Amino acid sequence: LAKTTQPISMDSYEGQEVNITCSHNNIATNDYITWYQQFPSQGPRFIIQGYKTKVTNEVASLFIPADRKSSTLSLPRVSLSDTAVYYCLVGDQLTGGGNKLTFGTGTQLKVEL
Amino acid sequence: NAGVTQTPKFQVLKTGQSMTLQCAQDMNHNSMYWYRQDPGMGLRLIYYSASEGTTDKGEVPNGYNVSRLNKREFSLRLESAAPSQTSVYFCAGSDRRDEKLFFGSGTQLSVL
Repeated sequence: LAKTTQPISMDSYEGQEVNITCSHNNIATNDYITWYQQFPSQGPRFIIQGYKTKVTNEVASLFIPADRKSSTLSLPRVSLSDTAVYYCLVGDQLTGGGNKLTFGTGTQLKVEL
Repeated sequence: NAGVTQTPKFQVLKTGQSMTLQCAQDMNHNSMYWYRQDPGMGLRLIYYSASEGTTDKGEVPNGYNVSRLNKREFSLRLESAAPSQTSVYFCAGSDRRDEKLFFGSGTQLSVL
């Protein structure tokens, strides 16, 4: 089973860049790596997804090394509103198709002034 | 385009009562999921449905049953509610191709 490991928590200050790393040693060849953000009392929200190398969108960058056993979510110039829990997910492909998508413990990011 | 819709938003049950949590999506997702999230904890997968007509157990299936009624709807049933099932329940759908999950707004369930 594909399983992910992340730091439990991280602290930062407004305006800094935050990098959250996730390890996924058992990632399968066809698995994507997807990151989600969750605020209290809300469902997780998609942030970014990648397969290899680097992906960038308007809110984050995702760095994936060649062996794909880890990934790093980079949040540039964080603000107080980025305080949330961040999860990385790796697909766990089923024989008949589809994926069993299991969340890890996530990383609680706290941004202060 | 409503996305993923869960009903009800809040529910209080007495121990031993039964109820069904409803989830419907209009995003043409093949796969649907039910998760529970206890206070201060991560999400745990209860059941999932990789495609219409199939369901399978996740990490914590005991005490629950599911029905994938059609492609749009995936319900979660508690046959005999227990206080340990007090939690927030999230339904999600995904496209098998890219596995991006889209979540409903959740159902807060309290079992007294």
